[in-house]
Amino acid sequence: EDQVTQSPEALRLQEGESSSLNCSYTVSGLRGLFWYRQDPGKGPEFLFTLYSAGEEKEKERLKATLTKKESFLHITAPKPEDSATYLCAVQGYTNAGKSTFGDGTTLTVKP
Amino acid sequence: DTAVSQTPKYLVTQMGNDKSIKCEQNLGHDTMYWYKQDSKKFLKIMFSYNNKELIINETVPNRFSPKSPDKAHLNLHINSLELGDSAVYFCASSRLIGVNTGELFFGEGSRLTVL
Repeated sequence: EDQVTQSPEALRLQEGESSSLNCSYTVSGLRGLFWYRQDPGKGPEFLFTLYSAGEEKEKERLKATLTKKESFLHITAPKPEDSATYLCAVQGYTNAGKSTFGDGTTLTVKP
Repeated sequence: DTAVSQTPKYLVTQMGNDKSIKCEQNLGHDTMYWYKQDSKKFLKIMFSYNNKELIINETVPNRFSPKSPDKAHLNLHINSLELGDSAVYFCASSRLIGVNTGELFFGEGSRLTVL
């Protein structure tokens, strides 16, 4: 069964203080790894898809990377508006169409 | 303009009642889903429909019955509500082809509280 573990559970940063969120996964044949952002009271918003180890994707202050066992979401010089819960999900070839989510990391960026 | 819209946003009801949540997407996607998010933010898939056909049915009590009248709509009916059904229910959609099925577009959620 596919599994996703995210750490830390919560992260508090000062504005401008860069850091990384971790997503460790177990899947039988990775079809894709996905990052989402969820604001309070809203649905998750898709950020990135990573397909294979070594791949990187960037969007503004966010950069996602992928290895064979984990993915990192690097946040460079974060701003208060980056505060949200970041969710990681995987799809394997044996469970095509079914995304397995982690519990998320709640990021708080203080001004 | 909303891509995935679901109603109602909030439901408060008594144990034993029946309730429905409606979902519509205007993205032209073929696949729609229901996810449940518990108080710890854990998102778990319940059902998936592809062009009106049920393709994923996780271990969900049969009190939960999804219905898809067309590929743009997926509704969720819940019978005999229990306290443990309290959660936020998210509707989502995705393209059918290739790995893009993992790129989900979510609605804003329907928070169900069972008293």
